[in-house]
Amino acid sequence: DAGVTQSPTHLIKTRGQQVTLRCSPKSGHDTVSWYQQALGQGPQFIFQYYEEEERQRGNFPDRFSGHQFPNYSSELNVNALLLGDSALYLCASSGRLSGAYNEQFFGPGTRLTVL
Amino acid sequence: AQSVTQLDSQVPVFEEAPVELRCNYSSSVSVYLFWYVQYPNQGLQLLLKYLSGSTLVKGINGFEAEFNKSQTSFHLRKPSVHISDTAEYFCAVSASSGGYQKVTFGIGTKLQVIP
Repeated sequence: DAGVTQSPTHLIKTRGQQVTLRCSPKSGHDTVSWYQQALGQGPQFIFQYYEEEERQRGNFPDRFSGHQFPNYSSELNVNALLLGDSALYLCASSGRLSGAYNEQFFGPGTRLTVL
Repeated sequence: AQSVTQLDSQVPVFEEAPVELRCNYSSSVSVYLFWYVQYPNQGLQLLLKYLSGSTLVKGINGFEAEFNKSQTSFHLRKPSVHISDTAEYFCAVSASSGGYQKVTFGIGTKLQVIP
């Protein structure tokens, strides 16, 4: 079991650009959540996807959008990048149907740097 | 709404000494509680969780935590720390919202084990 995987591991962009981050959930999991972890902070919840729909959203602007595919993998898109978007982006998966509903497994994250 | 307060941003402790990392939470509904560890440049790893049942929860690497509902606390303890325990520790609370879980993290406590 590969666990939760994320790509790329590191990314450098400039202000105003757009970025797409990818996540593959742990085998057997059907729910994906995304978090932003700024330097020196705890992870902040961005949104959660289940059955290809956004089910919950944290306090993030519409520049942050996502998608979930039929194979449960997910993308996080950020438009019009700002310097403040520089952070570690974490993906977490959980199994809504498997009974492991409340335990999330985290990927290693994607480090985004905006210059 | 739910929130998590980690009372100590940094905790220095000598090797083989005991340690307690404090966590308090607030929520208007029943919650599940977690402690995660994050090593430098890595994602989050689950240390232990409280879902229900016994209020004393044992986790990996010799850590344990006690859920205290009346004090809304979930403090993490280890009787004897090792150099390898140097990392950042995050307390998290999960509550159902519209049938989906929402996880809120504290800002983290950096544990520095001194040789």
